[in-house]
Amino acid sequence: GAGVSQSPSNKVTEKGKDVELRCDPISGHTALYWYRQSLGQGLEFLIYFQGNSAPDKSGLPSDRFSAERTGGSVSTLTIQRTQQEDSAVYLCASSSPARGLQAFFGQGTRLTVV
Amino acid sequence: AQSVTQLDSQVPVFEEAPVELRCNYSSSVSVYLFWYVQYPNQGLQLLLKYLSGSTLVKGINGFEAEFNKSQTSFHLRKPSVHISDTAEYFCAVTPTSAGNQFYFGTGTSLTVIP
Repeated sequence: GAGVSQSPSNKVTEKGKDVELRCDPISGHTALYWYRQSLGQGLEFLIYFQGNSAPDKSGLPSDRFSAERTGGSVSTLTIQRTQQEDSAVYLCASSSPARGLQAFFGQGTRLTVV
Repeated sequence: AQSVTQLDSQVPVFEEAPVELRCNYSSSVSVYLFWYVQYPNQGLQLLLKYLSGSTLVKGINGFEAEFNKSQTSFHLRKPSVHISDTAEYFCAVTPTSAGNQFYFGTGTSLTVIP
């Protein structure tokens, strides 16, 4: 597609429920990133996929968080047993050396845990 | 490992005044450097980038940045700010070797005062 697409744009969930956030990267981009941005905070790295290599999961805050990337394209970030501190904007980005290396960001998913 | 430090978390400046947002990085390898801007309630978009060549890089909306390798800095400047420049600004680096992720600073909130 023309840009990075994330869905849903907003998600309100009850504490303890599981949520899935979706990211459709720009077609052909080999790298995909997930970041979290809490209110008034900077970008917190979560996970990084690059081609067929094993993902860098070093930023995932707990084992309640997981992510997968199917077929080198769409990615899903799953948060199990959500807590109120999980409330944030979750940003996805993709990049490719052929597109000048820059990361292209989606509009984000605003997650609110009540 | 790479890291990015944005020394100022908040920068208030009067309209039509000049502004400099500071960015320093730490890396044992060569890096490419980027500035991203996030306007209120919007996603991140690229402001400018340094890949090679002239160390003075011009970006959108009248912003420019200068890469200083000896000081490992990439400060962002604008000679005269507008109200519309009020936003969050993020500095980022990525190693020049292929297959590496982006490392972001914590961001600087620029507020332009009328």
